[in-house]
Amino acid sequence: LAKTTQPISMDSYEGQEVNITCSHNNIATNDYITWYQQFPSQGPRFIIQGYKTKVTNEVASLFIPADRKSSTLSLPRVSLSDTAVYYCLVDMNRDDKIIFGKGTRLHILP
Amino acid sequence: GAVVSQHPSRVICKSGTSVKIECRSLDFQATTMFWYRQFPKQSLMLMATSNEGSKATYEQGVEKDKFLINHASLTLSTLTVTSAHPEDSSFYICSAKGQGQSSYNEQFFGPGTRLTVL
Repeated sequence: LAKTTQPISMDSYEGQEVNITCSHNNIATNDYITWYQQFPSQGPRFIIQGYKTKVTNEVASLFIPADRKSSTLSLPRVSLSDTAVYYCLVDMNRDDKIIFGKGTRLHILP
Repeated sequence: GAVVSQHPSRVICKSGTSVKIECRSLDFQATTMFWYRQFPKQSLMLMATSNEGSKATYEQGVEKDKFLINHASLTLSTLTVTSAHPEDSSFYICSAKGQGQSSYNEQFFGPGTRLTVL
């Protein structure tokens, strides 16, 4: 299974753009990259998913370079409510299992 | 998006008793459901995968006789923690995947169940 590496924690301020980068050097050809958000005492919530280049939805953008060995989740103009743990996941194609890494604990300051 | 519910949201029980947690997909049929456990400040750990009508597949190190999983219908999976002990206290989360979901292999997570064993 492809292993992902993310920063353990990040701090930012309200109104700033936050970029969280995830490394996945062993990503397989059929693997998609998915990001989830989790607030304390809640289940993870799907944010965005992509395979290559750039994907954008109403809450975030996902940038994936041509070699797909990394990806960057971009959160525009964060607010205090974006304080959460963000998980980068790959291997979605195999046995349907999701194996969570340690995630990035994002703390937004006023 | 699709909705997954869990019941109860929190439960406190005495050591040695059994606790059942329900996971329901409310507006779609879940061909596969997953059970996770999460300790404070840690990531989610996959416990088992269950497919409707068949036996669950447990991850290495998870005792199948202690954590009984039943996926009797396409909208309901249950996790029973048998003879619970304080070390079983944790946050239990289920997720569900169904056919026809819009995103590739997207899974929908329940809100979690906080189990405290005294």
